[in-house]
Amino acid sequence: DAGITQSPRHKVTETGTPVTLRCHQTENHRYMYWYRQDPGHGLRLIHYSYGVKDTDKGEVSDGYSVSRSKTEDFLLTLESATSSQTSVYFCATNREGTGGIRPQHFGDGTRLSIL
Amino acid sequence: GDSVTQMEGPVTLSEEAFLTINCTYTATGYPSLFWYVQYPGEGLQLLLKATKADDKGSNKGFEATYRKETTSFHLEKGSVQVSDSAVYFCAFHRDDKIIFGKGTRLHILP
Repeated sequence: DAGITQSPRHKVTETGTPVTLRCHQTENHRYMYWYRQDPGHGLRLIHYSYGVKDTDKGEVSDGYSVSRSKTEDFLLTLESATSSQTSVYFCATNREGTGGIRPQHFGDGTRLSIL
Repeated sequence: GDSVTQMEGPVTLSEEAFLTINCTYTATGYPSLFWYVQYPGEGLQLLLKATKADDKGSNKGFEATYRKETTSFHLEKGSVQVSDSAVYFCAFHRDDKIIFGKGTRLHILP
């Protein structure tokens, strides 16, 4: 794999609290992505980054923000968590944009429960 | 718009059975096509890919052929094993993102 570490792997928190998930990669990949996986919806893109300080929204970005201050780290923040954000979150990276033929590399996921 | 349609399952088969998971796509142009697999408790990983029409991707006994005429990329395996139990995602790349199908859960019974 591309040396992707997600932290924490599991988290339980309460509605209204802020939550930050971290994705760390060791391969110096330019592109990084955050997805959420829910039954019946497959994988949905939340935000992605195409370089340090360069980010863009995905299809389900409301309620989420991201930051990328270093190539190796991509943070996902829920400013005020809601129960609808209970999900499994995956980080992925790619050496280049996906207009090419290289696959994305995925972390092992963070299971987030919001009570 | 761009989309991927695949059978959602779950698909349940006995060991050594033949497997087909259908996948069709809607896209402009001819993107590279991928199958990803997700084993329990893990992230997705690339299973196979095909980059142009009539290409056949293969890996671990799985195969899929890029069919431009039918815009399809069906996944097949001649004899499945219990260890193939997982969720399978068909996908293609568009600009800087990936368009995923919703995934097909596969259960193989011993």
